Amino acid sequence: RKEVEQDPGPFNVPEGATVAFNCTYSNSASQSFFWYRQDCRKEPKLLMSVYSSGNEDGRFTAQLNRASQYISLLIRDSKLSDSATYLCVVNPRGTSYGKLTFGQGTILTVHP
Amino acid sequence: DTAVSQTPKYLVTQMGNDKSIKCEQNLGHDTMYWYKQDSKKFLKIMFSYNNKELIINETVPNRFSPKSPDKAHLNLHINSLELGDSAVYFCASSQEGGADSPLHFGNGTRLTVT
Repeated sequence: RKEVEQDPGPFNVPEGATVAFNCTYSNSASQSFFWYRQDCRKEPKLLMSVYSSGNEDGRFTAQLNRASQYISLLIRDSKLSDSATYLCVVNPRGTSYGKLTFGQGTILTVHP
Repeated sequence: DTAVSQTPKYLVTQMGNDKSIKCEQNLGHDTMYWYKQDSKKFLKIMFSYNNKELIINETVPNRFSPKSPDKAHLNLHINSLELGDSAVYFCASSQEGGADSPLHFGNGTRLTVT
């Protein structure tokens, strides 16, 4: 089983749609979770951290389910500018500094 | 006022050559990293330095040698380049090396070995 696994997609949705991505992780000791966004031929950028209680940032909601070892990202009212690859990132406790493990990413395309 | 800058952005070279990629961050971060993103888009950590000290060295061929002259710089030197080294290399930094520190990436160096 991969350390971090995502459905690669692609997800093709119309503007205004709600879309959700899931990500599973294998190390039950993992403590920190993030969603990054990567535009085509650009560097990854932090979208949001994922907290145990779940957190929301505008149209974006992140959830963590420790029992099932998955995190999710929900995007409401999709915009064209949301088109990107979304990377699920996990940092297992006890590993060396910043040894973030990246999923392969989920490609999202929002069309008019 | 780029936060993490790396040069060059594109690098095309022949097999067997030696090349370097430079990285600098002006965020005052203590920890810097090199990541490799292959053709399948997986990002994998190669090295991590904290205050000029190597703390992560993944299973990377010893043809790759990181050098950190100070905590704001982490350069990557690659000897005897091979076709399989073709990838995008990202430098990154974080405030601390711990579990809760998000990474700030440079804009990547696209290396093509012919």
